[in-house]
Amino acid sequence: GEDVEQSLFLSVREGDSSVINCTYTDSSSTYLYWYKQEPGAGLQLLTYIFSNMDMKQDQRLTVLLNKKDKHLSLRIADTQTGDSAIYFCAERNSASKIIFGSGTRLSIRP
Amino acid sequence: EAGVAQSPRYKIIEKRQSVAFWCNPISGHATLYWYQQILGQGPKLLIQFQNNGVVDDSQLPKDRFSAERLKGVDSTLKIQPAKLEDSAVYLCASSSYEGLAGGVEQYFGPGTRLTVT
Repeated sequence: GEDVEQSLFLSVREGDSSVINCTYTDSSSTYLYWYKQEPGAGLQLLTYIFSNMDMKQDQRLTVLLNKKDKHLSLRIADTQTGDSAIYFCAERNSASKIIFGSGTRLSIRP
Repeated sequence: EAGVAQSPRYKIIEKRQSVAFWCNPISGHATLYWYQQILGQGPKLLIQFQNNGVVDDSQLPKDRFSAERLKGVDSTLKIQPAKLEDSAVYLCASSSYEGLAGGVEQYFGPGTRLTVT
């Protein structure tokens, strides 16, 4: 079946880079997404990448996609306290349904 | 541009009671989604509408959940009767029209946190 896996927690020092990793199982995925969820809020679409791309950069965010290994990562440069949140990886499968991972909680150390 | 609106933000009910949630999508968005997010998990799709028609309700527990989008804009999700395991955040999302699949970008509302006691 379809599955999206993420590690549960990540702790980084303020100013360092954060790298959040994700693996997925559906080789027919068309788009891969990163969403951010702050406490008590809905999901905010951060960025997404089409499956025939291997990298996308948007200001402090860099998305890397290894389609062969079905591995997606999100790098946040110069991590700030405002980046504390839960980050969800998601794939849009061949039926155009979005499947979410369980989220990675990013915490920032001073 | 206004985002996806949802109400209420919080609801506490006893098991076997009924509850309804309301969603107003981004203006012009033809596709509307309801998701259930249980604590510690990612959102799971309950139902997808294209205008006022249902595209996918395969994950909707139809014995107790119902949803409608009568005029192709606002939508209501109802649970009757509620069970303890329905405690979750109910998220509404919308996307622009790109065929039955819906748009690539989905935009989420703030959610309704339901507690069933």
